Formats: sequence, C-alpha cells, structure tokens
Amino acid sequence: DTAVSQTPKYLVTQMGNDKSIKCEQNLGHDTMYWYKQDSKKFLKIMFSYNNKELIINETVPNRFSPKSPDKAHLNLHINSLELGDSAVYFCASSLNGQSNQPQHFGDGTRLSIL
Amino acid sequence: GESVGLHLPTLSVQEGDNSIINCAYSNSASDYFIWYKQESGKGPQFIIDIRSNMDKRQGQRVTVLLNKTVKHLSLQIAATQPGDSAVYFCAEKHAGTALIFGKGTTLSVSS
Repeated sequence: DTAVSQTPKYLVTQMGNDKSIKCEQNLGHDTMYWYKQDSKKFLKIMFSYNNKELIINETVPNRFSPKSPDKAHLNLHINSLELGDSAVYFCASSLNGQSNQPQHFGDGTRLSIL
Repeated sequence: GESVGLHLPTLSVQEGDNSIINCAYSNSASDYFIWYKQESGKGPQFIIDIRSNMDKRQGQRVTVLLNKTVKHLSLQIAATQPGDSAVYFCAEKHAGTALIFGKGTTLSVSS
C-alpha cells in the first residue's frame, strides 16, 4: 500500500479555473504538509497541518486553501489558477511536527496551466 | 532568509566509484538534517537523517557527515550504481519550522 498518495498525478487546466488536489496518508501520522516544486526543482513548504489544525502557512496566496477533514487527509484547493501556479505539488506527512522526524512524500501532482 | 544550499548542481561518476554530495547550511539553530533522493516522476525519498548531537551516521552504502563548525553536511554513497542516479536534496529543520530544502544535486552514474 502506498504510504502517502495524492490524486490526480497530472492536472492540466486553463487559467482562471478552480481545482483540487487530494492527499491521504495511511501511516497514522499526525502532521501533513504541502510543498511546491518549481521548474528548477526547488522544494518549498506551503502549509503544515497537525491533527487537522493549521500550524504553518508560508505566505501562500489566499487562492490556495488547504482543508483537512481528518488527520489522514490534507486536500489542497486552488481558486482562480494563474500561469505561475504551474509546478509539481507534493504532499508529505510526518509522525508529528517536532524535530527529528523524517517526512514521507507522495509522488506529486504535476499541475499545468494553459 | 537563511537557507540550505548545495555546492554543485551536477555530479557525474562511474559505476563502482564512491560519490560525495555536499551541502552547506546557514542556520546554526538547525538541529536535524535529512538527505532525500528524488527520481524522475517521483516524490523525495528519505535516505538518511542525522541529529545535531552526532557528526556521522551510516546506513546501507550511505554515510552522512555533519560538521557544525563550518555548517557543512555531506552524503557519501559507496560503490555507486546506475540506480543511484537521481536528484539529491539536503534539508534542515529546527523546532517549530518545516523542512528547508537545498537546491539539489543531480547525480549521474555511467556504467
């Protein structure tokens, strides 16, 4: 079974549309994350949730709204998509938000804005 | 802001050689470091981690070295294989923050 799974793997849509990416982890972890990887492979944290509560929001535009219905799921909804949103989005989870805990990543969602 | 970086964007080695990938970090408050491997079309995969109270940690064919004096982290891969070809990231963390990733080194292994 995949530990951290995200859907869809590929998402192609037009500018101005609204889209969602789903993420689920079956590791029993308390903390989940969303990262954005740009065309130069640079990975940057967007959000972090611990047991359904937002703990980190790295100045992401409010067009991006994460939602955590339970601690095993962290979905990402994006409104009014822009060209600059094209990237690969990774979901991750860790046992908790403390130091000394590795994060486990999904295989990413490649978002392409036309 | 402070960030983690890597010295070389690419590294090419022959199969069977030992590889060393370097990383410099700037936040002296960081107390946890991780190396990840990312293959094409995949997410980052955990390789090995080290806490700031250690200076060396070994795994299977991999060794991580931490030099806090010069804020330097390295990943050594013994007997590099074609399957080791990937992008390697170092990342740092301290309490209350998320992982901060470096820019990545692309390792190419030729047989």
